[in-house]
Amino acid sequence: DAGVIQSPRHEVTEMGQEVTLRCKPISGHNSLFWYRQTMMRGLELLIYFNNNVPIDDSGMPEDRFSAKMPNASFSTLKIQPSEPRDSAVYFCASSRDYSAQYFGPGTRLTVL
Amino acid sequence: AQSVTQPDIHITVSEGASLELRCNYSYGATPYLFWYVQSPGQGLQLLLKYFSGDTLVQGIKGFEAEFKRSQSSFNLRKPSVHWSDAAEYFCAVGAAMDSSYKLIFGSGTRLLVRP
Repeated sequence: DAGVIQSPRHEVTEMGQEVTLRCKPISGHNSLFWYRQTMMRGLELLIYFNNNVPIDDSGMPEDRFSAKMPNASFSTLKIQPSEPRDSAVYFCASSRDYSAQYFGPGTRLTVL
Repeated sequence: AQSVTQPDIHITVSEGASLELRCNYSYGATPYLFWYVQSPGQGLQLLLKYFSGDTLVQGIKGFEAEFKRSQSSFNLRKPSVHWSDAAEYFCAVGAAMDSSYKLIFGSGTRLLVRP
């Protein structure tokens, strides 16, 4: 079975550019999570969707970050404009109801 | 408030030795508990989970964990460590709050394996 798919795996961009990260959850899962991981702050939950509806976006750092889930098989995390402090590894995870989350391989973002 | 504490930032063991990674949680109700492993440059992989029932849980790669309600602990164990087990290990508790459900992660324990 395919796991969580994320693209791109690596992204290098310049400050001020728009960045879009993509995620395809595991088929049949109804919850989707976006995390950010850095050395300084560890693993942070950014936003959580249940049945395609954003439930908790309290972790989104600021208005430059936005996330959408137009259908059960696709989600995006967008940063506009990007800043060097956004450099991190961004993970998408999915789960079925109140169960374990399964993580994608991550997108390593570098903002110059 | 829900929280997870992994008191050891780093642990070094010799290959073939036994391993125990500590995890303590704070949660008002019966917790859902998880251990994940992250190898360098990889995502988090689920090792095992506890929802209810037998308090000794078997996972992948020869790992097991024991839920002890009286100690609010969920320690991860392996009888004989392999060099490939070197990675970072995260404990997590599932927390239901309002209409949402999410995992609260510990800060991780980095395992180093001596040859």
